[in-house]
Amino acid sequence: AAGVIQSPRHLIKEKRETATLKCYPIPRHDTVYWYQQGPGQDPQFLISFYEKMQSDKGSIPDRFSAQQFSDYHSELNMSSLELGDSALYFCASSFSGLGGDEQFFGPGTRLTVL
Amino acid sequence: GENVEQHPSTLSVQEGDSAVIKCTYSDSASNYFPWYKQELGKRPQLIIDIRSNVGEKKDQRIAVTLNKTAKHFSLHITETQPEDSAVYFCAASISGTSYGKLTFGQGTILTVHP
Repeated sequence: AAGVIQSPRHLIKEKRETATLKCYPIPRHDTVYWYQQGPGQDPQFLISFYEKMQSDKGSIPDRFSAQQFSDYHSELNMSSLELGDSALYFCASSFSGLGGDEQFFGPGTRLTVL
Repeated sequence: GENVEQHPSTLSVQEGDSAVIKCTYSDSASNYFPWYKQELGKRPQLIIDIRSNVGEKKDQRIAVTLNKTAKHFSLHITETQPEDSAVYFCAASISGTSYGKLTFGQGTILTVHP
């Protein structure tokens, strides 16, 4: 079965650089979530999209932005990177219809800011 | 917003023993409570979930109970095996809406000793 795809899997950037993370949800899933997980921490919700519109926003810095495209893939853009942005970034997708509670997580992108 | 508290933060058991992890949530509107197992550097994997219209659910060695009045839910693992060693997260969300973000507990590091 198709799963959530994230790219790249690993990314190394310098401070003040920019990064773009991509997420391809499971086909026919209409909702995408982004989570940030720091070392030894629980995943923290950043932002979500339902049918290509932003549906909810969490603790996402103003330096970050995201969008969902017509093909339902989503991108998280991160600018002016800081050391504290080093984390695992997970994308998850779900189907909002009946019984569609489960969020399916992608393998994550490990971002290291030097 | 929702707040999820999880205890204990670490749990060490002998193989074959039972393990219990407890969570409390604050938002009475939450109606979906998944449990995730996460190995180091990997994605969270759903192991069991429960909805607010159910008090208990069991899947082989894993069971979850929910007390809506007390806003409390628990994970029970019986006959633990070394392969059960991982970090376990509880979570809560309001499903069936475009606001279905997951709020995670702080995690429990479970170690099963052979």
